[in-house]
Amino acid sequence: DAKTTQPPSMDCAEGRAANLPCNHSTISGNEYVYWYRQIHSQGPQYIIHGLKNNETNEMASLIITEDRKSSTLILPHATLRDTAVYYCIVRVVGMMDKIIFGKGTRLHILP
Amino acid sequence: SAVISQKPSRDICQRGTSLTIQCQVDSQVTMMFWYRQQPGQSLTLIATANQGSEATYESGFVIDKFPISRPNLTFSTLTVSNMSPEDSSIYLCSVEGTPNTGELFFGEGSRLTVL
Repeated sequence: DAKTTQPPSMDCAEGRAANLPCNHSTISGNEYVYWYRQIHSQGPQYIIHGLKNNETNEMASLIITEDRKSSTLILPHATLRDTAVYYCIVRVVGMMDKIIFGKGTRLHILP
Repeated sequence: SAVISQKPSRDICQRGTSLTIQCQVDSQVTMMFWYRQQPGQSLTLIATANQGSEATYESGFVIDKFPISRPNLTFSTLTVSNMSPEDSSIYLCSVEGTPNTGELFFGEGSRLTVL
């Protein structure tokens, strides 16, 4: 079973920041938080990952709470092309381990 | 990064037949993952395929129904055997890019419709 909980859907206005929450209250000390997204009819795309520090790349920022039990993916200036299903996943890096997807959050960017 | 090509991209098949899906990667990878995505659903892991060993199947998936080959470090096939309409799904191949990063790359998927 997936180790994360996400809201099933969210709306965000175009040009605004989209903040997608994820709960991972049973996360272990050596598990990272990963975010992927799946645009309609495409394979999932990696966005970002982190362990305990906040991370930022050209696509998004990842904010992980100090207790690591939850995180937020931030798309700073959402565009219509960001409409997708966003998956939050926890996984141990460095181990030959499978990745289990939960149900994700369907993000709708509104014009 | 890794570029993954899947064939076929889509197919329509008759009940009771079998279809083999091919996954080609542009670099050598240790592990390849096969996922299924039923209409409107999330991805479900079918099996993990390592080169030179038997694939490891997840609960609910068996080798007789979904035989997997992994002849080398850049290629794998998944066969969907004795198909029924319930097998209508998108089947996705996935690999880890840079080792030990946990970053997965996915093919565009093979959309299978069983009549």
